[in-house]
Amino acid sequence: SQTIHQWPATLVQPVGSPLSLECTVEGTSNPNLYWYRQAAGRGLQLLFYSVGIGQISSEVPQNLSASRPQDRQFILSSKKLLLSDSGFYLCAWSSTLGYEQFFGPGTRLTVL
Amino acid sequence: SQELEQSPQSLIVQEGKNLTINCTSSKTLYGLYWYKQKYGEGLIFLMMLQKGGEEKSHEKITAKLDEKKQQSSLHITASQPSHAGIYLCGADGLSNSGYALNFGKGTSLLVTP
Repeated sequence: SQTIHQWPATLVQPVGSPLSLECTVEGTSNPNLYWYRQAAGRGLQLLFYSVGIGQISSEVPQNLSASRPQDRQFILSSKKLLLSDSGFYLCAWSSTLGYEQFFGPGTRLTVL
Repeated sequence: SQELEQSPQSLIVQEGKNLTINCTSSKTLYGLYWYKQKYGEGLIFLMMLQKGGEEKSHEKITAKLDEKKQQSSLHITASQPSHAGIYLCGADGLSNSGYALNFGKGTSLLVTP
């Protein structure tokens, strides 16, 4: 069966510090991968999606970036965090048919 | 872009009562997904609806998609404390998002003893 992992589970970082969140998927090949952010009162916002290694599409301009160095690995990064980057970050995968998405447990990021 | 409005924003019901959550789209829905999220956790996939008039059930949760495919409802029968959480509807987004989903802001459900 397929599983999706995210780490760390929680993170507290100062403003201006770098960020690296990792997401890995097991039990499937060539998945579509997604990064979402869930902020209070704003619902789920799609940040990035990827349909293959090295293929990243950005939905919202911001100081975050994403990379997919391996088929089942998706990384969310920032060089300098802002206060507004605080939130709950969720990684998700779907099959190449693109139907339902399956979500990881999330990373709670607090930027102070 | 496609907007999804969920109502109500929050709901408190007594255990054993029935409840309904609505999700309305500004455009025709080609795929409507219901998820449940426990507080501080990831999303759990509940059901997907694609056809007008379609109805699916899982245990005590029933979801329907109207004939015009612009509104979906989620109905919980005889609610239990385990049903508490945030319910989100999602829909297939614009083509430039691939298969990414647009989500409503969620409905927070609390079930009291």
